[in-house]
Amino acid sequence: DTGVSQNPRHKITKRGQNVTFRCDPISEHNRLYWYRQTLGQGPEFLTYFQNEAQLEKSRLLSDRFSAERPKGSFSTLEIQRTEQGDSAMYLCASRDSRNTGELFFGEGSRLTVL
Amino acid sequence: AQSVAQPEDQVNVAEGNPLTVKCTYSVSGNPYLFWYVQYPNRGLQFLLKYITGDNLVKGSYGFEAEFNKSQTSFHLKKPSALVSDSALYFCAVRDSRTDKLIFGTGTRLQVFP
Repeated sequence: DTGVSQNPRHKITKRGQNVTFRCDPISEHNRLYWYRQTLGQGPEFLTYFQNEAQLEKSRLLSDRFSAERPKGSFSTLEIQRTEQGDSAMYLCASRDSRNTGELFFGEGSRLTVL
Repeated sequence: AQSVAQPEDQVNVAEGNPLTVKCTYSVSGNPYLFWYVQYPNRGLQFLLKYITGDNLVKGSYGFEAEFNKSQTSFHLKKPSALVSDSALYFCAVRDSRTDKLIFGTGTRLQVFP
């Protein structure tokens, strides 16, 4: 399968714990995006990378959130000291910036904070 | 700022009937518009896009969308709905400065047998 891969698919954690999600984009895609989606809502942009450079961060991304893409390939999204309001689906997407095409999304990582 | 609006939370249609899911947009400059579909507990799947050219865009699974500049709309259509089309549909516009997609709030399509 050469699509966008995310893991874990589901994570249940207790409030105050740290969690990390991983995204493996389509291999030739230089841009990688993180979105958050809560139940019944559209995806909200969090941040994106071009290669290893983080080019934009949404104001939704509090200082408890950090994202990296150290070698311009896979990316991680870490949430420290989780809160119940962090419960959501975290979606990763990628694309090739040379094309005017669409984003390709992974299946998402669902976080439940108890 | 770029934005899209989906005025209907839910659309109900009988199988075999035509369906329309509405989307209007607000952009500065030329719009890059997209439709995605989401099935329960899944990621988003791309359906179709408008970049330039013909106002009627054809996409996956028999869906099409009509770009209307004067009405700033990009409605999703299908001539004959299937029960399996029941899902959540999102319209999106590309932010010309940052290249990210900005999504609408989604429309739930329910196709009844």
